Amino acid sequence: DSGVTQTPKHLITATGQRVTLRCSPRSGDLSVYWYQQSLDQGLQFLIQYYNGEERAKGNILERFSAQQFPDLHSELNLSSLELGDSALYFCASSVVGRGNEQFFGPGTRLTVL
Amino acid sequence: DQQVKQNSPSLSVQEGRISILNCDYTNSMFDYFLWYKKYPAEGPTFLISISSIKDKNEDGRFTVFLNKSAKHLSLHIVPSQPGDSAVYFCAASDQGGSEKLVFGKGTKLTVNP
Repeated sequence: DSGVTQTPKHLITATGQRVTLRCSPRSGDLSVYWYQQSLDQGLQFLIQYYNGEERAKGNILERFSAQQFPDLHSELNLSSLELGDSALYFCASSVVGRGNEQFFGPGTRLTVL
Repeated sequence: DQQVKQNSPSLSVQEGRISILNCDYTNSMFDYFLWYKKYPAEGPTFLISISSIKDKNEDGRFTVFLNKSAKHLSLHIVPSQPGDSAVYFCAASDQGGSEKLVFGKGTKLTVNP
């Protein structure tokens, strides 16, 4: 158990809909990262928050957004969903700074029908 | 453009023997490398890391070797155990830039009893 929690574990929805994925980092970790793993792909970095502020952005679609709250939990919002958004979404957290390993949650499997 | 490559999608070894997983990278700015292990329906679990100032790091049965001139790293598992059967991801980061991890697509290791 990494100490990172994600809810829900599974999500099935229809095209055009909007969903929210939730992540609670390990106690004491200030940085939260979101990654997407599609079929046959490695994990792709989406976005990072550090202590409530956006720190880095990857190839995140404009239909996706995220935020980190004062209690440090984070939410990833996916809107106008398309079939191609079906994937595993992982949240990770780390203490702070560079050179630290990131600890991953169990992921949310999103299926768009 | 895949900056981190794991060219072997799968590897099968006998219990007790050595497992060698390979990873190549193209971005010369990468200076911190990590290996993660992933079981089905779970998030990636951190295994071992190495900074570019070192060429070897050891932790129990796991050793990571880094060859900067060849932009190549490898993970050695000795002796291999059936419980090591999982997908192994190589990841890299540029400590002078973003804290994001760039992942390879993974190698599925099967250790046969």
